[in-house]
Parts: sequence; C-alpha cells; structure tokens
Amino acid sequence: SQQGEEDPQALSIQEGENATMNCSYKTSINNLQWYRQNSGRGLVHLILIRSNEREKHSGRLRVTLDTSKKSSSLLITASRAADTASYFCASMLYQKVTFGTGTKLQVIP
Amino acid sequence: DTAVSQTPKYLVTQMGNDKSIKCEQNLGHDTMYWYKQDSKKFLKIMFSYNNKELIINETVPNRFSPKSPDKAHLNLHINSLELGDSAVYFCASSGGDRHSNQPQHFGDGTRLSIL
Repeated sequence: SQQGEEDPQALSIQEGENATMNCSYKTSINNLQWYRQNSGRGLVHLILIRSNEREKHSGRLRVTLDTSKKSSSLLITASRAADTASYFCASMLYQKVTFGTGTKLQVIP
Repeated sequence: DTAVSQTPKYLVTQMGNDKSIKCEQNLGHDTMYWYKQDSKKFLKIMFSYNNKELIINETVPNRFSPKSPDKAHLNLHINSLELGDSAVYFCASSGGDRHSNQPQHFGDGTRLSIL
C-alpha cells in the first residue's frame, strides 16, 4: 500500500495541553502538507513544509520534517476545543499526492 | 462564495445505476482532483486534471470516468454502481502548474450510498 501512516490513530487531551501527531511516508517528496478535517466536511490546508526545510511554524502549529527517516510531526500547542478534528499528512511528489491514515484528535474542554 | 463546490451533497441510489457528481471551483486554479474517502477515513486520489488534461489516473475501475469541460469544472461519472462504491467523494483544486505542489482546496464531499 502507498498509504502513509500516522500515529497515534486517536488522541484525547485536555484543553491547554499540546498535541503531537506523527506521519511516515514511503517515497521521495517535493513537500509535505498537513490538513484538518472536521466531521462531515472537506479537508482544510494547515501548513506546507518543503523537502529542503526541517521545521516550520504557523501560529500554534509547528511542523518538523526528517527526509532521512521519511517522517514528519505536527505539534499543536495550547490546544482548544475547536481543534477537535482529524488531521492528515499528505506527501507530495509533483502532482502525485498520498495521504496518511489520519489522527483523530479530541480536545476536552 | 464557496471556493470548491460539489453537487449533490448526498446521493443514495441502487446498485447497477449510473450517476454523476459535479464539481466547480472559482479559484482560478489549473489543477483539479477527485478523491475517495472510505469508511475508515482513508483518502485516496483517483484522478487529477491540469488545464483539462488528465495527468493522474490511479488504479480505478473504468466504470469511473472523469470529464473536464473547462478548467473550472471536473465531473465524475460512475457506471454500474457497486456496493463497494459507497464512500465520500471529494473534489479539490490547487494552483500552480503540473510540477508544483500548492495547497489543495477541498469541497465538502458527496456522500454516496449504494443500496
């Protein structure tokens, strides 16, 4: 299977805590992207990190990329109840995109 | 204004029927995609079109036929629907040319249920 993998599959934390999700992919990439999916909705783009970058920040989001290990992590700091959603990584090589299996995050108020 | 819109939102139909799902984007993007998300939330790319040209065609039964009348529209026609076709189908679009990897903008999905 070409599907990337994410762990954990599900994560439940208290509001204010940090949430870390990991993603592994299988092929070379141009960049890696993270998306959020609220229940019953489409995916929303969060952040993009290029293959020559190691870390990127956007607001409360921090993404790291280790191309030697073919892995990436997404850290959400000071989580809020509104962060409750599923999070997917997507490895991109030209127009070919492979999504991870997703992490379901629940933030308890 | 909705950036990527799909119709219908829900589609319930009998096995063996033929159905179409429409997608339109008003972002001026050159590339459009169709994805299938199964009951386990696995998301797989099915097709990608750049400026009306098919550039990605994953291992999808030929009962599925995409059609792009112009670069703002990418429709998906499905013949002889099967139970396994039940899923959520997402349309997406992105800017840039066929060699770039810009963020994708997704529609809200079409929930297809086969009886």
